[in-house]
Amino acid sequence: SSELTQDPAVSVALGQTVRITCQGDSLRSYHASWYQQKPGQAPVVVIYAKNNRPSGIPDRFSGSSSGNTASLTITGAQAEDEADYYCNSRDSSGKHVVFGGGTKLTVL
Amino acid sequence: QVQLVQSGAEVKKPGASVKVSCKASGYTFTSFGISWVRQAPGQGLEWMGWISPYTGNTNYAQKFQGRVTMTTDTSTSTAYMELRSLRPDDTAVYYCARDALGDQGVYDSWGQGALVTVSS
Repeated sequence: SSELTQDPAVSVALGQTVRITCQGDSLRSYHASWYQQKPGQAPVVVIYAKNNRPSGIPDRFSGSSSGNTASLTITGAQAEDEADYYCNSRDSSGKHVVFGGGTKLTVL
Repeated sequence: QVQLVQSGAEVKKPGASVKVSCKASGYTFTSFGISWVRQAPGQGLEWMGWISPYTGNTNYAQKFQGRVTMTTDTSTSTAYMELRSLRPDDTAVYYCARDALGDQGVYDSWGQGALVTVSS
């Protein structure tokens, strides 16, 4: 089991806002990053170091953190946002990187 | 532009070894760490470890300690990941990824993945 816990599946109506969460004790000390993965493709970073968005990532993607929980928010979800989303951060020892189990986002 | 191009798919028997390569281009190879991440069929992402092409320092996930070796060849800007004593549950797509922030797990560029199938 992963040290970072994500809900396995989340759904959102087209154009609505959705929050995907990632929980773990290490998040009290380390920032999370978020990756989007579509079927048959390599992951793409959408948010890094808590709330930084790489160039080319739409501004509807944002990140936040509180206590042991990091969140990825998509404001005005689009059909093309349907994908698996993974968080990552350091583990509780701080020595290694760990990924969350992933959340499958369905846009209805 | 930054590109990571990996070697092709491999089929191995249990107990064998596999070595996957990852050729980098479009940036100074020694300026960024390379991590390896694998994904079993239908499963999530699993971090395997990290290497600094500049120093050669490595950091392996505890799960793979003693079974994995990560190396780099700076003359060809290529990273390698060798996994030994393969088991069927090592069947996965193996990705290399550039760590944009040292070894912080911020992967801004990924290889296309290399499928390794372990089967007798």
